[in-house]
Amino acid sequence: DAGITQSPRHKVTETGTPVTLRCHQTENHRYMYWYRQDPGHGLRLIHYSYGVKDTDKGEVSDGYSVSRSKTEDFLLTLESATSSQTSVYFCAIREGYNQPQHFGDGTRLSIL
Amino acid sequence: GEDVEQSLFLSVREGDSSVINCTYTDSSSTYLYWYKQEPGAGLQLLTYIFSNMDMKQDQRLTVLLNKKDKHLSLRIADTQTGDSAIYFCAESRGSGGSYIPTFGRGTSLIVHP
Repeated sequence: DAGITQSPRHKVTETGTPVTLRCHQTENHRYMYWYRQDPGHGLRLIHYSYGVKDTDKGEVSDGYSVSRSKTEDFLLTLESATSSQTSVYFCAIREGYNQPQHFGDGTRLSIL
Repeated sequence: GEDVEQSLFLSVREGDSSVINCTYTDSSSTYLYWYKQEPGAGLQLLTYIFSNMDMKQDQRLTVLLNKKDKHLSLRIADTQTGDSAIYFCAESRGSGGSYIPTFGRGTSLIVHP
């Protein structure tokens, strides 16, 4: 299995609080992605990174920011969490453009 | 724009074959993938096929690609209860750069004893 660790695995927090999710990889892959998965919507891309300090927005980036200061870590931050951001968040990594993505086990985030 | 379509549900009896279908719209798709997601887990890569191939077989799994019709299928032989999961089809274009694959919404496979 690809060396991807997401933390925390579960989190419950209140509306308006900041939340940071971490994705850590041991594969030294260049590309990293954050998705959210919701019933009826499948997987939706939030942000992605194509190198250290190189990031770009996905289709549902509003309310989220990311940072990648080193190859192995990709952080997703909800600056002020809202109930609509309750979801399961997945991190994925990819070695090269012609390689498949590999996914972490997910973070279940509940915002009350 | 690009789109990947899958049926939402498939129910089969244990021991039968399962066929999960996927259609995509981007004719420049280069790689097509199948992922499996079990409850509470992430997506696990099952297999993938390059667009210059028609078929790929890996143990109980057979992937068929019809480029003309933009149709991809995953056949699971001798389906077991442990195969019950959500199966996602995904496509990508091997154009370098950031590479953003497009996923279908997933097909829930239910295997009855």
